[in-house]
Amino acid sequence: DAKTTQPPSMDCAEGRAANLPCNHSTISGNEYVYWYRQIHSQGPQYIIHGLKNNETNEMASLIITEDRKSSTLILPHATLRDTAVYYCIVRPWGYGGSQGNLIFGKGTKLSVKP
Amino acid sequence: GAGVSQSPSNKVTEKGKDVELRCDPISGHTALYWYRQSLGQGLEFLIYFQGNSAPDKSGLPSDRFSAERTGGSVSTLTIQRTQQEDSAVYLCASSLDSMRTEAFFGQGTRLTVV
Repeated sequence: DAKTTQPPSMDCAEGRAANLPCNHSTISGNEYVYWYRQIHSQGPQYIIHGLKNNETNEMASLIITEDRKSSTLILPHATLRDTAVYYCIVRPWGYGGSQGNLIFGKGTKLSVKP
Repeated sequence: GAGVSQSPSNKVTEKGKDVELRCDPISGHTALYWYRQSLGQGLEFLIYFQGNSAPDKSGLPSDRFSAERTGGSVSTLTIQRTQQEDSAVYLCASSLDSMRTEAFFGQGTRLTVV
């Protein structure tokens, strides 16, 4: 089962920042936080990941709370093409068994509106 | 190839027949994942391979489902005695390892059981 909780849907105005929250209160020390998104009819696309420090790349920023129990994905200037389902995943790193597995939850459906 | 390749892209089969779905991961990627996605639903984890470790089969829904990964590269997902509820898009992903690298997804195989 997914170890994360996300709101089922959110709206955002085009050009504004989209802030997508995720709760992962049972996260373990060896688990990373990953974000993926799935645009309609396409395979999921990697966005960003982090362990405990905030991360930024060309797509988004990831803010992880100090206790690591929650995080926020920030799309700084949302466009209509950012409309998608966004998945927050905690991924244990390592080898063997379920280490490194990616278990998707239900995600947040983000609708960017003009 | 440059990305994860899945074949066929579409498959229509009669109830009760066996089907094989193929996934060619990105060259050099040691981790390989299978998921299925029913219409309007999230990604359901099926099976995860990591190098020479025993695969994590915990997501396989029944003993009609099995998967192999030969030579650490190509993977085949087999569904025996297909049922109508098996109709879904089957997605494959691969990542360089199971540690902190992103997973890349194929475009999926759309399976329709009639």
